Amino acid sequence: KQEVTQIPAALSVPEGENLVLNCSFTDSAIYNLQWFRQDPGKGLTSLLLIQSSQREQTSGRLNASLDKSSGRSTLYIAASQPGDSATYLCAVGTGANSKLTFGKGITLSVRP
Amino acid sequence: GAGVSQSPRYKVAKRGQDVALRCDPISGHVSLFWYQQALGQGPEFLTYFQNEAQLDKSGLPSDRFFAERPEGSVSTLKIQRTQQEDSAVYLCASSLVFWGGNQPQHFGDGTRLSIL
Repeated sequence: KQEVTQIPAALSVPEGENLVLNCSFTDSAIYNLQWFRQDPGKGLTSLLLIQSSQREQTSGRLNASLDKSSGRSTLYIAASQPGDSATYLCAVGTGANSKLTFGKGITLSVRP
Repeated sequence: GAGVSQSPRYKVAKRGQDVALRCDPISGHVSLFWYQQALGQGPEFLTYFQNEAQLDKSGLPSDRFFAERPEGSVSTLKIQRTQQEDSAVYLCASSLVFWGGNQPQHFGDGTRLSIL
């Protein structure tokens, strides 16, 4: 059974810091990996999707990498801003329909 | 709107009542997923539709949970004889294609279900 782990559960950093959020998964037979942002009381906003054949994806200040063989992904956030404060969830897609298995998320707080 | 729409946003029900949660996916999206998110946890997969066909219901926690998508667009998740442990946020997601890999899932804002 696929398990996804995100550690730590919470992180607080000063504004402007570059930071890395980690995600690990137990079964490397994945179709894709997706990073989401969740604001309180809201649904999930897709940030980046990495297909299993890819190594990384970039969007603005965000960069996500995937090392399938070691079961790891990182989300890099450059020059963090208070507006980046949210919970960040990592999810791996498995099976032909790519149903997602999620980690518990990392709650990020960026202090002004 | 262009996104996934879920209704109601909040639902309070007494234990034992039946509830129905609705999901309007993005127009043209073939795949539709339901997830359950308990407080402080990541979402957990419940069921998957490809058009009107329910191809995977392995995550449904009991036979009290039933989902349908009769015309391949709007979906309804029904919970019968609700229990307190059913209290959670129910999230719906859709994606453009049904084969794995290259399309993200787009999520609605969810329905927050509270069972008293």
